[in-house]
Amino acid sequence: GQQLNQSPQSMFIQEGEDVSMNCTSSSIFNTWLWYKQDPGEGPVLLIALYKAGELTSNGRLTAQFGITRKDSFLNISASIPSDVGIYFCAGDIQGAQKLVFGQGTRLTINP
Amino acid sequence: DTAVSQTPKYLVTQMGNDKSIKCEQNLGHDTMYWYKQDSKKFLKIMFSYNNKELIINETVPNRFSPKSPDKAHLNLHINSLELGDSAVYFCASSHTVRAETDTQYFGPGTRLTVL
Repeated sequence: GQQLNQSPQSMFIQEGEDVSMNCTSSSIFNTWLWYKQDPGEGPVLLIALYKAGELTSNGRLTAQFGITRKDSFLNISASIPSDVGIYFCAGDIQGAQKLVFGQGTRLTINP
Repeated sequence: DTAVSQTPKYLVTQMGNDKSIKCEQNLGHDTMYWYKQDSKKFLKIMFSYNNKELIINETVPNRFSPKSPDKAHLNLHINSLELGDSAVYFCASSHTVRAETDTQYFGPGTRLTVL
């Protein structure tokens, strides 16, 4: 089945550091989404990207929809303890009416 | 108010049993989903329903039978539970089936453990 390759799988950083993670696909996506999952909770949408080349920010978070429509990245600036969690990219293939999720990036922050 | 709710939160059962998980959304959405998240946190869609009609069935074993009595509810019944069914099951909903534009809102998950 369709897969998204998300990297890195895990990150261990110090509070205040910037974070970068990305997703790539062998197929073209119409939409790229970034979700965050806190322990014991369901994923929550952080940023949605709808156009190739689009760069969108949400507070300290910035995400971009790659020009080739096969990749996306998420940056978090000046990380804080509540940024801890698992970050998922997700994409939509035209006409599929479903999202495909990446494997997730587990972010751990040392205070 | 909880947007997407699931019951139970935890479910521990023996192999071979039959169990159900319930999901309700109060967002007025037309489309609901069931996802499975395995031990490696990989999240994969199982089913989607739009206005009580099945839209997606991702080659899930027929031991899994979703039922949507109305568009606010999507329940998941699992027959003859197997060890490999142990996972966290998430319900989600969106305004329409258009995954490319409509945000999916997830429930808190049901952790199923099959012994």
